[in-house]
Amino acid sequence: GAVVSQHPSRVICKSGTSVKIECRSLDFQATTMFWYRQFPKQSLMLMATSNEGSKATYEQGVEKDKFLINHASLTLSTLTVTSAHPEDSSFYICSATSGTGFNEQFFGPGTRLTVL
Amino acid sequence: TQLLEQSPQFLSIQEGENLTVYCNSSSVFSSLQWYRQEPGEGPVLLVTVVTGGEVKKLKRLTFQFGDARKDSSLHITAAQPGDTGLYLCAGSDNYGQNFVFGPGTRLSVLP
Repeated sequence: GAVVSQHPSRVICKSGTSVKIECRSLDFQATTMFWYRQFPKQSLMLMATSNEGSKATYEQGVEKDKFLINHASLTLSTLTVTSAHPEDSSFYICSATSGTGFNEQFFGPGTRLTVL
Repeated sequence: TQLLEQSPQFLSIQEGENLTVYCNSSSVFSSLQWYRQEPGEGPVLLVTVVTGGEVKKLKRLTFQFGDARKDSSLHITAAQPGDTGLYLCAGSDNYGQNFVFGPGTRLSVLP
C-alpha cells in the first residue's frame, strides 16, 4: 500500500517552454501533497504544500507564478514549471499523506528535469 | 521554527562495520520518520516512531526515539553495500502537521 507515482520520470525541454509533472497516489486518497526540489548531493527542499481543492501554500522564496500547483482531486496533483530556464533543472519529488495513522509522507520516484 | 539536525553529514565505512546516525532537535515531535533515498529515486519510508523511548528493529537496522521525543538514532549492524544511500529523518507535530526534514546523512558502504 501507499504507492505514489510520478510522470514523467525524466524530461528534457528547451528554455522557455512549460513542463507539467503529475503526482498520483495509487492506492489511497491523499489529503495533502507536497512538492520538493532536490539538488545533487543535497537534501530535500520543500517547495509547496497542497490540499485537494484549495490553493497551494508556497515556501518562502518559491515563485508561485513560476511553479504552478494544482491539486484537483484526492489522488492527483500537478506541478507545472512555466517558462523553464536552465536554472530550473533539478530533481523534483512529490509526496502524499493520507491523513490517517501516523500521517507519514509517501514519496514518488521523482522527475529529473533538464532544461537546455 | 522547528529544525532537525543530522550527524554525521557523510559517512564512508567498510562492509561489515557498525554505524550510528543521529537526528537531533530542540523541539518535541509527535512522530518521527526515517527514510532512505538512493540516487535518482524518491525517499522510501523505513520506520515511524511515536513513543518516547521507543525502539524499533528492521532486520539489521535499529531505530530509537529519545525519551523526550526530540531526537532519534539509527543504528546499522554489519553494514552492507546495499545500505548505501541518503538517510533522512523527518519530524512532525500534531501527527502530520508541519513536517520538518533533516539535511540527511550520506552513507557509503564499501565492499
